[in-house]
Amino acid sequence: EIVMTQSPATLSVSPGERATLSCRASQSVSSNLAWYQQKPGQAPRLLIYGASTRATGIPARFSGSGSGTEFTLTISSLQSEDFAVYYCQQYNNWPLWTFGQGTKVEIK
Amino acid sequence: EVQLVESGGGLVKPGGSLRLSCAASGFTFSSYSMNWVRQAPGKGLEWVSSISSSSSYIYYADSVKGRFTISRDNAKNSLYLQMNSLRAEDTAVYYCASGPRIQDAFDIWGQGTMVTVSS
Repeated sequence: EIVMTQSPATLSVSPGERATLSCRASQSVSSNLAWYQQKPGQAPRLLIYGASTRATGIPARFSGSGSGTEFTLTISSLQSEDFAVYYCQQYNNWPLWTFGQGTKVEIK
Repeated sequence: EVQLVESGGGLVKPGGSLRLSCAASGFTFSSYSMNWVRQAPGKGLEWVSSISSSSSYIYYADSVKGRFTISRDNAKNSLYLQMNSLRAEDTAVYYCASGPRIQDAFDIWGQGTMVTVSS
């Protein structure tokens, strides 16, 4: 099983600032990495797939990078609606999809 | 509008059974692989099971293998999860999610249905 490790667990950021979230895989997942956003009481929403491709309707302030074992989600200028929990997921080693434990982005 | 709507959750005793359903609309359900993902209270996401578009390929997480059965009815645009021998650790919100292919990310998610296993 590929273990996905996200850091930090919590990120305190002021509105308008840049947020950088990290995700590390225990072995290479190539570029088969997705990022999801989840707000309280809501379902996850796909933000990024293929490590760097934004899903339909996702604002350009969200960007993903990385390949192999190290990945980054960057939110260039945090808006109020961006405060949420973010999960990474590898889908390279299917049929054993695994998620990271999540990074909570909170208002500083 | 592209939509997935889960139903069937509730309170069940340990050892009991429950059948979840997921109704799809707004897209060609029969062309998409489908998945179940769960989230225990206050915890992260856990993949549970996946089924390919034609039901040719079915997969389960070790934690549910032998107890849960995934199925779909493309004529009814519906996905199902039959859950037997339920345990307290199965308590979670269960989401259905779709992907273009079984090896892709999950691009459409339902709102989830809560399953509570308790005596």
